[in-house]
Amino acid sequence: DAKTTQPNSMESNEEEPVHLPCNHSTISGTDYIHWYRQLPSQGPEYVIHGLTSNVNNRMASLAIAEDRKSSTLILHRATLRDAAVYYCILRGSNSGYALNFGKGTSLLVTP
Amino acid sequence: SQTIHQWPATLVQPVGSPLSLECTVEGTSNPNLYWYRQAAGRGLQLLFYSVGIGQISSEVPQNLSASRPQDRQFILSSKKLLLSDSGFYLCAWTPDRGTNYGYTFGSGTRLTVV
Repeated sequence: DAKTTQPNSMESNEEEPVHLPCNHSTISGTDYIHWYRQLPSQGPEYVIHGLTSNVNNRMASLAIAEDRKSSTLILHRATLRDAAVYYCILRGSNSGYALNFGKGTSLLVTP
Repeated sequence: SQTIHQWPATLVQPVGSPLSLECTVEGTSNPNLYWYRQAAGRGLQLLFYSVGIGQISSEVPQNLSASRPQDRQFILSSKKLLLSDSGFYLCAWTPDRGTNYGYTFGSGTRLTVV
């Protein structure tokens, strides 16, 4: 499976935008880029996903580079409830289309 | 709407005892189902996946097993628990209609083997 690289941790102030980067230089043409977040003691929560075009939903925006070798999850206004581990995952067809989680980025939001 | 249920939420079991964790999905048919485990302070590890009734694939050799007796039911079992089986067990599902769908996770079972 193609792998992703994310910073171990990031910090943001409350009510400011947050840009979480992800590198995936070995992405294949059929891999979808998925983002999930996990709050302490909870299961992962779906955030957003895309293939080639930028995507927006009520939680976040996903900006995908033209060559698809990197992407950025954008939280437009961070709140304290956004403090979590954010996972960038390439979803291919291996293992029954399973998500293979890396270590993710731990986001700290300070008031 | 679709929902996923996992139980129990917490479990404390002695070493050598059996285990059965259950996951059910409602509001969909023929989902892809997955079991993950997260050891303390570690990442999520894929244990098993199933693309249909009776179809189970294992990702990691261990003393755990999985079964899918019904379309929307996924069970994780062990005959004899080890201390190393402690962790946070999560069930997840996604529609079996291609790759352009997100995944939904259950609330998890926190297992402590003593």
